[in-house]
Amino acid sequence: GAGVSQSPSNKVTEKGKDVELRCDPISGHTALYWYRQSLGQGLEFLIYFQGNSAPDKSGLPSDRFSAERTGGSVSTLTIQRTQQEDSAVYLCASSFTGVEQFFGPGTRLTVL
Amino acid sequence: AQSVTQPDIHITVSEGASLELRCNYSYGATPYLFWYVQSPGQGLQLLLKYFSGDTLVQGIKGFEAEFKRSQSSFNLRKPSVHWSDAAEYFCAVGSLIQGAQKLVFGQGTRLTINP
Repeated sequence: GAGVSQSPSNKVTEKGKDVELRCDPISGHTALYWYRQSLGQGLEFLIYFQGNSAPDKSGLPSDRFSAERTGGSVSTLTIQRTQQEDSAVYLCASSFTGVEQFFGPGTRLTVL
Repeated sequence: AQSVTQPDIHITVSEGASLELRCNYSYGATPYLFWYVQSPGQGLQLLLKYFSGDTLVQGIKGFEAEFKRSQSSFNLRKPSVHWSDAAEYFCAVGSLIQGAQKLVFGQGTRLTINP
């Protein structure tokens, strides 16, 4: 496909479980971003990758959150020991220029 | 720190009427500014962007925005709205981090269109 894809589209999990969210960026885009959209906090930056490196992890809310990117392509955001406040839509974006970002449809995470 | 304010949480306009969505930003240098639209259950779609040059920028779907440095504003306008424009609109400022842009978003404005 031509756009950014994310999987799963929806994830329901129990408090305390670990979850993995996947992002497939647009082919050739070297920059990849994760954002979180929640009712209380709006849209907030989580982490940014340039290639496989993450120069800016400043937005990760706690050490339960981690992310990696392999082969300069697919990225996985992992949340360990999920809490109810982690419930949100997690959005991934990619960019070729480093300026204009193209967003995926998001993964809606619900923690029961 | 960079910030974006969208003063209107919810706006309702009639179909065919004109629209203006307000956005004010706080940034120490010349900003990169963006407007995104999000339809229910969808990701964010870029409407338009401002980097430099002409302060009136044209975007997709008939939208335009004007950068006013003196007012720290980047308001979005459309002369005549269509029912399909009902969505949530986000203004964002780009914060440069090692050659890439971290976006700082406003809280969004939800647009409802009356038939």
